[in-house]
Amino acid sequence: QVQLVQSGAEVKKPGASVKVSCKASGYTFTNYGIRWVRQAPGQGLEWMGWINTYNAKSNYARKFQGRVTMTTDTSASTAYMELRSLGSDDTAVYFCARENCSTSTCFSDYWGQGTLVTVSS
Amino acid sequence: QSVLTQPPSASGTPGQRVTISCSGARSNIGSEAVNWYQQLPGTAPKLLIYNNDQRPSGVPDRFSGSKSGTSASLAISGLQSEDEADYYCAAWDDSLKGHVFGIGTKVTVL
Repeated sequence: QVQLVQSGAEVKKPGASVKVSCKASGYTFTNYGIRWVRQAPGQGLEWMGWINTYNAKSNYARKFQGRVTMTTDTSASTAYMELRSLGSDDTAVYFCARENCSTSTCFSDYWGQGTLVTVSS
Repeated sequence: QSVLTQPPSASGTPGQRVTISCSGARSNIGSEAVNWYQQLPGTAPKLLIYNNDQRPSGVPDRFSGSKSGTSASLAISGLQSEDEADYYCAAWDDSLKGHVFGIGTKVTVL
């Protein structure tokens, strides 16, 4: 069965960086992209970007451009999301999700369990 | 402020039909397909509807989606207690060149 397992919770100081991993299993990793979405406490979902696991091309939300990097290790079927220059408003649960595309739309059909990143001095 | 507009809350009694609206613009819903996600408390979102009205396998047919112009709707018929959750609409926005979500609608079963 398809599974996405994310790394554990992190506590970071303002200005630091965090790197979250997302290990996929149960399907051919390079056949689907990986999307990253975050959710601040008590707030809604926010799309951060996605990475094409076949050719490593990525597309980031404008809000995060210059501060986020999404990468993959295809040999380990693992995707990574690194966010730099953390501020308190980056405190959130970060989700990875498998990106499945039909002819007319892309959607996230399987999700990781989420990784809580807390930014605090 | 989200690009896609949803009511913050909706409610109904068991067995009732509840409808959630999602309003957007020509650059998103008006030209792109809409997907819906269900998020139970403390869990990751789950895909509920994709491509406006398609249900993934395993999603009960009590859930249905539709789209017209720059608006979309999610309907839950035969409301059940386990349907208490947050529901998000989502679509690609061609102006922003990114996916956008609604603010989410909290459904309460009275």
